Amino acid sequence: AQKITQTQPGMFVQEKEAVTLDCTYDTSDPSYGLFWYKQPSSGEMIFLIYQGSYDQQNATEGRYSLNFQKARKSANLVISASQLGDSAMYFCAMRLPGLGSNYKLTFGKGTLLTVNP
Amino acid sequence: NAGVTQTPKFRVLKTGQSMTLLCAQDMNHEYMYWYRQDPGMGLRLIHYSVGEGTTAKGEVPDGYNVSRLKKQNFLLGLESAAPSQTSVYFCASSYRQNQPQHFGDGTRLSIL
Repeated sequence: AQKITQTQPGMFVQEKEAVTLDCTYDTSDPSYGLFWYKQPSSGEMIFLIYQGSYDQQNATEGRYSLNFQKARKSANLVISASQLGDSAMYFCAMRLPGLGSNYKLTFGKGTLLTVNP
Repeated sequence: NAGVTQTPKFRVLKTGQSMTLLCAQDMNHEYMYWYRQDPGMGLRLIHYSVGEGTTAKGEVPDGYNVSRLKKQNFLLGLESAAPSQTSVYFCASSYRQNQPQHFGDGTRLSIL
């Protein structure tokens, strides 16, 4: 069964420091995609970054980067130079190919990040 | 720049009542999705659609029905609401399956 695990229910970081949010996944399918979403207290879901299983380089989007270690099945999100506005819930998600009953987009339970001034 | 719009934003129902949640997107996306989010559980896929006129079951489809009569709209129906369906419902859309999903702001639904 496909699974996404975020082992950190909550994380604290000092403003301007970097923080790593952990995500491990479990699948036997060679083709998959990994996403990170941010959910502020206002409730909306904001897409941050995507990594495909065949991508050779780690994905980066501004202050966000994805530390993709395929052999370890981990896809950790790194936020550099944290800002107060980064305080939010962060979800890791995995997509597997296939339609119908084979379609899977599985979300982890999330990590609540708090940035302290 | 509307993106994905969900209506209503809040609703309270009594057990056994029916209602329809509307999702509209203006990005010409082929794929649309309905999720529910419960405390401590992340998002779970209810139903999805890969194009106009098509629907498919996700992870937790029981008690819900959907329709995609127009490409831009994806409706989620509860025929007989139950307290277990109290949740926050999110609609999302994407151009293709392997591309990021854009989410609406959510609908907070309470079933008494």
